[in-house]
Amino acid sequence: DTAVSQTPKYLVTQMGNDKSIKCEQNLGHDTMYWYKQDSKKFLKIMFSYNNKELIINETVPNRFSPKSPDKAHLNLHINSLELGDSAVYFCASSQLTAGGYGYTFGSGTRLTVV
Amino acid sequence: TQLLEQSPQFLSIQEGENLTVYCNSSSVFSSLQWYRQEPGEGPVLLVTVVTGGEVKKLKRLTFQFGDARKDSSLHITAAQPGDTGLYLCAGENNQGGKLIFGQGTELSVKP
Repeated sequence: DTAVSQTPKYLVTQMGNDKSIKCEQNLGHDTMYWYKQDSKKFLKIMFSYNNKELIINETVPNRFSPKSPDKAHLNLHINSLELGDSAVYFCASSQLTAGGYGYTFGSGTRLTVV
Repeated sequence: TQLLEQSPQFLSIQEGENLTVYCNSSSVFSSLQWYRQEPGEGPVLLVTVVTGGEVKKLKRLTFQFGDARKDSSLHITAAQPGDTGLYLCAGENNQGGKLIFGQGTELSVKP
């Protein structure tokens, strides 16, 4: 019973390609997130959705487009991939947008752009 | 911009030793969370502290939130090899919801 599942686990692709990462949570949480972890293990928020509505968009290039068809799903589509997009991308969810509720993270998607 | 400075970045100790990881900021956070991440996995929540001065214990781990809610510490007593991993502090900003992470502490406990 995986709480937050994201696919694929690994993604190797060429520069210029378009790719998508899917995320699903079965916790009944209202809020979902995309985080990017760089090679130094630093985690930075990209997007946050609350009940399908975008609430945080952190100066991410518009090549990155999140889509939330329902509150249990948050997918990330990336156009025209660049070498600098190589990183581990984590999906996460939480019960509410504030109030000290911890996040539940997926196991990550390691994206390598060659 | 809110920043969290976490130190040390790397820590290699022998089994049985004690250690403390620090997380500092000039900003006030509404809550401070600690996560542990193992290779190939996502971070897993260890604890959330929300009240200034709050102390929480989780077996051999003790977490403290500073009185001014700007800093936090994680103390591990009698570290074991199973404690090895990446420890991350994360502050929830006052606008709600967004977690700002520290740089992480890579802990290695040798038998």
